[in-house]
Amino acid sequence: QSVLTQPPSVSGAPGQRVTISCTGSSSNIGAGYDVHWYQQLPGTAPKLLIYGNSNRPSGVPDRFSGSKSGTSASLAITGLQAEDEADYYCQSYDSSLSVFGGGTKLTVL
Amino acid sequence: EVQLVQSGAEVKKPGESLKISCKGSGYSFTSYWIGWVRQMPGKGLEWMGIIYPGDSDTRYSPSFQGQVTISADKSISTAYLQWSSLKASDTAMYYCARQKWLPDAFDIWGQGTMVTVSS
Repeated sequence: QSVLTQPPSVSGAPGQRVTISCTGSSSNIGAGYDVHWYQQLPGTAPKLLIYGNSNRPSGVPDRFSGSKSGTSASLAITGLQAEDEADYYCQSYDSSLSVFGGGTKLTVL
Repeated sequence: EVQLVQSGAEVKKPGESLKISCKGSGYSFTSYWIGWVRQMPGKGLEWMGIIYPGDSDTRYSPSFQGQVTISADKSISTAYLQWSSLKASDTAMYYCARQKWLPDAFDIWGQGTMVTVSS
């Protein structure tokens, strides 16, 4: 059972907008620690997608955006494309340790 | 180019020992933390522990404390993850990843090392 809770799966048609939630608690997200998001394409290593709640590393399309409020955070993907089909993980900090969400599988219909 | 390159896949028997590596290049190895992340087959990411090669400060997740040892040799810019006695349940992909500060994101990841433990 992960410290950060994500929905196991989400889906959307090409061109649509989907969001993935990441729910924590007062000891991690609610304590003010940043939330980061990773994309893991099948058979590859995770890749940093969003850092510091809402910042995109160089090269990440602006179709990806992040937000944080209270004890939760969200990743939004607009203009969904077939290549976005992947697993997505949130990560934060809790009790001097990094913690990951359980991951969300995004299916592009 | 900043990169982390991990050692190759391993196939071991239960009870055997193992040490896998993660070599950093293209940046100051002693100025970033190196963390280890486990991904069991078909499962999510689990943070195992982390080391700061600059002074060898090491932290472990309670779930992995006593089960693995994390170390680093800053003279060759390499971090290690080792087991003294492998179990079948250690079968997984293991990733190393770089982090500037402990609450920060892991911005660079290794390609992963697959460890298979089977009799």
